[in-house]
Amino acid sequence: DAGITQSPRHKVTETGTPVTLRCHQTENHRYMYWYRQDPGHGLRLIHYSYGVKDTDKGEVSDGYSVSRSKTEDFLLTLESATSSQTSVYFCAIKSTGANYGYTFGSGTRLTVV
Amino acid sequence: QKEVEQNSGPLSVPEGAIASLNCTYSDRVSQSFFWYRQYSGKSPELIMSIYSNGDKEDGRFTAQLNKASQYVSLLIRDSQPSDSATYLCAVNMRSGGYQKVTFGTGTKLQVIP
Repeated sequence: DAGITQSPRHKVTETGTPVTLRCHQTENHRYMYWYRQDPGHGLRLIHYSYGVKDTDKGEVSDGYSVSRSKTEDFLLTLESATSSQTSVYFCAIKSTGANYGYTFGSGTRLTVV
Repeated sequence: QKEVEQNSGPLSVPEGAIASLNCTYSDRVSQSFFWYRQYSGKSPELIMSIYSNGDKEDGRFTAQLNKASQYVSLLIRDSQPSDSATYLCAVNMRSGGYQKVTFGTGTKLQVIP
């Protein structure tokens, strides 16, 4: 087990409220990613981080911000939630070694009403 | 043209048969290719990675890569009902000034007992 956890697992929030999702890893991986998954769109990259305080935008970053103040934690914030941000959010870390794919967290199902 | 394209399925095969899943990609210089399996309501899990032209075998799974045709496939031999899932193809490709992994929307596989 890669030791990656996401919280909360489920959340319902109202339009216009800020929401923060947390990703925590225990294996000191440098690269961390936030994706959203929607029917018909697959997994789309929101933001990623390549080190403490080092982050960059992905393809669907509008309306989202991230922070990484410690190696183990990568936070995703929806500054003012909209219904279009209803989705399943996955955090991922980049594995090391010969099979260097991603390991995903269990996901957060977010509903904006 | 989508960057990574997969037939959404569902692909139905009888138990014990070979399931063949296909993926095409647009970036000719992509170097790394991955297959993930995602059960309904769960997070994606890495099952295969391939970097060189040809075949790579791991148990009942074989990944095939043809860079000239920009085509990668996954064969599942002796398919089992437990293989029923959505299979995501992922390709490491250039995006702006950095490398990123782009996912296809997935092919749903149904193995019929």
